[in-house]
Amino acid sequence: GAVVSQHPSWVICKSGTSVKIECRSLDFQATTMFWYRQFPKQSLMLMATSNEGSKATYEQGVEKDKFLINHASLTLSTLTVTSAHPEDSSFYICSAAQLGSYNEQFFGPGTRLTVL
Amino acid sequence: SQQGEEDPQALSIQEGENATMNCSYKTSINNLQWYRQNSGRGLVHLILIRSNEREKHSGRLRVTLDTSKKSSSLLITASRAADTASYFCATALLDTDKLIFGTGTRLQVFP
Repeated sequence: GAVVSQHPSWVICKSGTSVKIECRSLDFQATTMFWYRQFPKQSLMLMATSNEGSKATYEQGVEKDKFLINHASLTLSTLTVTSAHPEDSSFYICSAAQLGSYNEQFFGPGTRLTVL
Repeated sequence: SQQGEEDPQALSIQEGENATMNCSYKTSINNLQWYRQNSGRGLVHLILIRSNEREKHSGRLRVTLDTSKKSSSLLITASRAADTASYFCATALLDTDKLIFGTGTRLQVFP
């Protein structure tokens, strides 16, 4: 089956630092990857959609300069939280979709970010 | 917000009982999917029902879809303690590659 990994699984950082989260599709090529954020006891909120080789499309209210997304290859997308603050502490989940199967997304295990 | 609504927000039942959770959404869809999430973990895809389908089964899961009412339900029969998790519906919108998640139902199954 289609497997998506995320690294790291958890990270603790100081306020003001930047954190990079990787999302990899292990056994398929993902033309599109999605990044979600989930606060405790809440649902997943889509942050942005990234297509390989092009700029990410951000949802309304998501700061593109703060959440930098790079989708440089068909198997890797990265989310960098720049100048992280405690309010950025959240569970970040990525998903990947194959070409022609955009409605069937395969989810990574998530990354727990805690900003002190 | 396009986010779907789920009810109940929380549900507690005994093992062996059935659990029903409902999802309502706002726009036309391509399909609707149900996911399970154990606390602090990633999502597990349970079932996908297309907009032209009305009912679908998978093991102890039964999903219905009523596009006229823009609603879906997930029934888990003969629940087990291991079914304890949060359950989310997600709608795949027409003409887009996005999934919009519902607010979720937290299910607690007591042994």
